[in-house]
Amino acid sequence: GAGVSQSPSNKVTEKGKDVELRCDPISGHTALYWYRQSLGQGLEFLIYFQGNSAPDKSGLPSDRFSAERTGGSVSTLTIQRTQQEDSAVYLCASIKGDRANSPLHFGNGTRLTVT
Amino acid sequence: SQKIEQNSEALNIQEGKTATLTCNYTNYSPAYLQWYRQDPGRGPVFLLLIRENEKEKRKERLKVTFDTTLKQSLFHITASQPADSATYLCALDFTGGGNKLTFGTGTQLKVEL
Repeated sequence: GAGVSQSPSNKVTEKGKDVELRCDPISGHTALYWYRQSLGQGLEFLIYFQGNSAPDKSGLPSDRFSAERTGGSVSTLTIQRTQQEDSAVYLCASIKGDRANSPLHFGNGTRLTVT
Repeated sequence: SQKIEQNSEALNIQEGKTATLTCNYTNYSPAYLQWYRQDPGRGPVFLLLIRENEKEKRKERLKVTFDTTLKQSLFHITASQPADSATYLCALDFTGGGNKLTFGTGTQLKVEL
C-alpha cells in the first residue's frame, strides 16, 4: 500500500525566501509528526497533529516555522525567511493509533538547502 | 536533562557475526522503547518495540533487550549480512514527555564480507 509521501524530495532556496514542504500521510492515520534531521544529528521533534485537537507546536524552533494539517490529512510545513541553519532533512511521519502500540511511518523526507 | 546516547562511532563487523548496538538513556522513565533502521536518503523504518515490563523481544534475526535499572537497551542482529548495513536509531517515549517520540542520534552499522 502507499506509504507516507513527501514533496518535494529536494529543495534549494535562497536565504530569506519562504518555503513550503508537503506531507501526505497514510490514509486512515490519525496523527502526524514533523521532525528535522541535520547532518550527524538525531531527529528533532517539530510539531504533532492528532485528529481535531490543537497541535503540539512545542518543538518549532522559531516563529518563522508554522504547520497546518487540512481536513485531518495533508500537512504543510512552512518556513518563512529561511536561514542557512534551516538546511536539513525534514521528515514527516504518521501513526494509526497510539505510540505505545503503533510505530511511526516515515516518509523519505525533503532535503532543504538554503544558500 | 533527559538524554539518549548511542555510540556515534560506526560499528564494523564481519558477515555472519552478531552485531550489538547500545542505547543508553538518562533521567527517563520510559513506558517503552522503539528501534528503527535508516538507510541513506530514506526515512527511518520501524523494527521493534519493547515495553518497560518486557525484558526481551525477538523478531527473526533481531533481538532487543530493555533493562530499566541500567537504563539501557541492547539491539542484536544475529548472522549479520551486508544488507543489514544501515544506521540504527533508538527512540523513547517517556511518561510526562508530551507528544513526541525522542530519538537518539543513531549508530551506523557496516557489515563486511
